[in-house]
Amino acid sequence: AQTVTQSQPEMSVQEAETVTLSCTYDTSENNYYLFWYKQPPSRQMILVIRQEAYKQQNATENRFSVNFQKAAKSFSLKISDSQLGDTAMYFCGVENAGNNRKLIWGLGTSLAVNP
Amino acid sequence: DAGITQSPRHKVTETGTPVTLRCHQTENHRYMYWYRQDPGHGLRLIHYSYGVKDTDKGEVSDGYSVSRSKTEDFLLTLESATSSQTSVYFCAISEIRSGKLFFGSGTQLSVL
Repeated sequence: AQTVTQSQPEMSVQEAETVTLSCTYDTSENNYYLFWYKQPPSRQMILVIRQEAYKQQNATENRFSVNFQKAAKSFSLKISDSQLGDTAMYFCGVENAGNNRKLIWGLGTSLAVNP
Repeated sequence: DAGITQSPRHKVTETGTPVTLRCHQTENHRYMYWYRQDPGHGLRLIHYSYGVKDTDKGEVSDGYSVSRSKTEDFLLTLESATSSQTSVYFCAISEIRSGKLFFGSGTQLSVL
């Protein structure tokens, strides 16, 4: 069974600083995807970044980047130059890449960016 | 937003009544999902579908059934709603080409 663990229920960071959200997972699949989604107070789920497990290069999307350590099954999200609009719940997820494309999520990290 | 529409956006119902939530997509995606979101539990998969009439259970499927008679619609039914099913329900689709998951806006369901 797949599991995803986000060990930090809440975090805060000052505006313009850098913060890292942790995520560890367990899966028996060889081919899978990893995601970070944010959920602001509007409730909408927004894709932040996606990583394919077979790619060694860490994904980057503007101020967002990941540190993907496949052997350690770790997938942390780094937010650089934090902005007030980054305040949200952040969810880490793992999705099988095969026909059975179930996606399992962590419990989320609530991030507050303070002015 | 990959053309996903959930209806209704809000619903209040009484214990024991049947409830059906609808997820409609306009872009012919094969994979569709129903999640519920509760404080302290994150997003939990209820059921998912990998094609017309092809569905499977997720981690919290008890008390829920689904149907997918055509590609664009994925229905979630609570046969006899209970207060424990008060939650926010999200529909999602998986875009095969990119592997990205796109979500609907959610349905707030309250069972009194």
